[in-house]
Amino acid sequence: NAGVTQTPKFQVLKTGQSMTLQCAQDMNHEYMSWYRQDPGMGLRLIHYSVGAGITDQGEVPNGYNVSRSTTEDFPLRLLSAAPSQTSVYFCASSPTGGSNQPQHFGDGTRLSIL
Amino acid sequence: DAKTTQPNSMESNEEEPVHLPCNHSTISGTDYIHWYRQLPSQGPEYVIHGLTSNVNNRMASLAIAEDRKSSTLILHRATLRDAAVYYCILTGQGGSEKLVFGKGTKLTVNP
Repeated sequence: NAGVTQTPKFQVLKTGQSMTLQCAQDMNHEYMSWYRQDPGMGLRLIHYSVGAGITDQGEVPNGYNVSRSTTEDFPLRLLSAAPSQTSVYFCASSPTGGSNQPQHFGDGTRLSIL
Repeated sequence: DAKTTQPNSMESNEEEPVHLPCNHSTISGTDYIHWYRQLPSQGPEYVIHGLTSNVNNRMASLAIAEDRKSSTLILHRATLRDAAVYYCILTGQGGSEKLVFGKGTKLTVNP
């Protein structure tokens, strides 16, 4: 199993550009989420989804958009990139999102916005 | 949300046991105690979790105080590969969307 796969691994954008960070999992997990991690900080939740067609906001959702059309994929869209969105982005999944379930994380996308 | 308190950093020698403490004095009865670790330039990795009883798996052991206000992650024989930031996280009502990462404990393992 590949687990949680994130693409691209690295990306440089100019301010105002848009892009989509891809996340795919092959474990048939219902729950998926996106986090960002700034230097020296813990992870902060951006958006999450408890199943196909259902998404909700986390702690820091502004400037980001998500959709969940399939169980496997949960893309994160930056609508108009800003330097404050320079960060490392992690995608995670778990079977149903229950509080007793471990989450599986991808290796991250390192995003720089100039 | 219940908060956790961990030391900013700890140091250990290779092949020695490591005890990583976590205080969570405001834990509620339904909160699970999770531990994750993050190696340099990688995503967080699940280590172990528990509710009331001590737990063991191939990676580590989790010792939970009787009043559940604190817990300890035990690495039985530290290796260089165990050098990472370790996060102690409580999950309760609401499930995984309540996974809140603090700054964790940075573990240095000396050869």
